[in-house]
Amino acid sequence: SAVISQKPSRDICQRGTSLTIQCQVDSQVTMMFWYRQQPGQSLTLIATANQGSEATYESGFVIDKFPISRPNLTFSTLTVSNMSPEDSSIYLCSVEDQGSGNTIYFGEGSWLTVV
Amino acid sequence: SQQGEEDPQALSIQEGENATMNCSYKTSINNLQWYRQNSGRGLVHLILIRSNEREKHSGRLRVTLDTSKKSSSLLITASRAADTASYFCATENAGNMLTFGGGTRLMVKP
Repeated sequence: SAVISQKPSRDICQRGTSLTIQCQVDSQVTMMFWYRQQPGQSLTLIATANQGSEATYESGFVIDKFPISRPNLTFSTLTVSNMSPEDSSIYLCSVEDQGSGNTIYFGEGSWLTVV
Repeated sequence: SQQGEEDPQALSIQEGENATMNCSYKTSINNLQWYRQNSGRGLVHLILIRSNEREKHSGRLRVTLDTSKKSSSLLITASRAADTASYFCATENAGNMLTFGGGTRLMVKP
């Protein structure tokens, strides 16, 4: 199994600033996914992050706004840049552990409030 | 976090048959959501059912919610090989955080 540590769990951010969310996995995984969830709504996939390649962004999300790093098979970061109140949301990382039969694991989520 | 329970963990059926997956949870919820994930791809949202709703339909999908039993079911009718995927339920609690079940791996044989 894979255990995911996501930081920060919560933060209050000033408008115009940027915040980086970290996702640490206790085992090597190929696929990592970043999602956004606004309260009362479903998850929206932001991007897929594979080690050694550029992240693949979904429609409506761009690298300048949500830069992602994936320096190795156990770690990824998502930065929310130049934040506005509309970015207030829960951000969630998820991994697919191909070593355990493609099992999916989820982080605890990072709840950002932009003021 | 991943705390809900889904059953079965794996389900194998023939094309054309119906597939039923169940989800149980422990705390009161705002809504319950079902997702599908194909290996190597991100989650795809299927249906969101609110705590005051009992049943919702979307195409070949039917979701029921029984808040008294803290359980939900996802029914896929007339299954197709393309329905082969992992299916997850997720509950949103009063704090707006999502809790995921362990998922059901569905295999639909042509």
